[in-house]
Amino acid sequence: AQSVSQHNHHVILSEAASLELGCNYSYGGTVNLFWYVQYPGQHLQLLLKYFSGDPLVKGIKGFEAEFIKSKFSFNLRKPSVQWSDTAEYFCAVGSTLGRLYFGRGTQLTVWP
Amino acid sequence: GAGVSQSPRYKVAKRGQDVALRCDPISGHVSLFWYQQALGQGPEFLTYFQNEAQLDKSGLPSDRFFAERPEGSVSTLKIQRTQQEDSAVYLCASSPDRFIDSGNTIYFGEGSWLTVV
Repeated sequence: AQSVSQHNHHVILSEAASLELGCNYSYGGTVNLFWYVQYPGQHLQLLLKYFSGDPLVKGIKGFEAEFIKSKFSFNLRKPSVQWSDTAEYFCAVGSTLGRLYFGRGTQLTVWP
Repeated sequence: GAGVSQSPRYKVAKRGQDVALRCDPISGHVSLFWYQQALGQGPEFLTYFQNEAQLDKSGLPSDRFFAERPEGSVSTLKIQRTQQEDSAVYLCASSPDRFIDSGNTIYFGEGSWLTVV
């Protein structure tokens, strides 16, 4: 069965610290991978996605993620976080017909 | 507006009451999805429409849940005889194309928060 694991439920960082959020997946088909962000009171927004090609994917707001097939991982990174990055982050695997399987999310709190 | 619109934003229902949640997708979007997000969890898939056809309803948790999209645009998620475990945020999402493999992004609405008391 398809599943997505996000290792950290709550991460607290100071501004300018580096960020890495873990994501591991289990899926039997062709993998499409996503990171979504949900700012307080707002809807889910796409940060970045991987469909094929270069396994290092760059997204909006300085975020990037690396697809490592051998490790079934798609970790999210940012070299220097800002207070405005405080949000909940969701990793997801996409199947055919567009169905997404989400992890339970990681709450990121950045202190100024 | 330009985004996915959902109504009501907040709904408090008494146990046993029927509720209807509405989704207005982005104009022209072919695909429409419903997800359920319980507190502290990630969204879980409920059902998928391609235009007016409901192609996947495998995520609907019980026969109390019913969704429709009769004209291929607006969709309604109906929950009959609500129970406390139905309390969650119900998210609607739409995509311009039929298959996610084409690379199209899925756009989410802000959700309808349902509390069953």
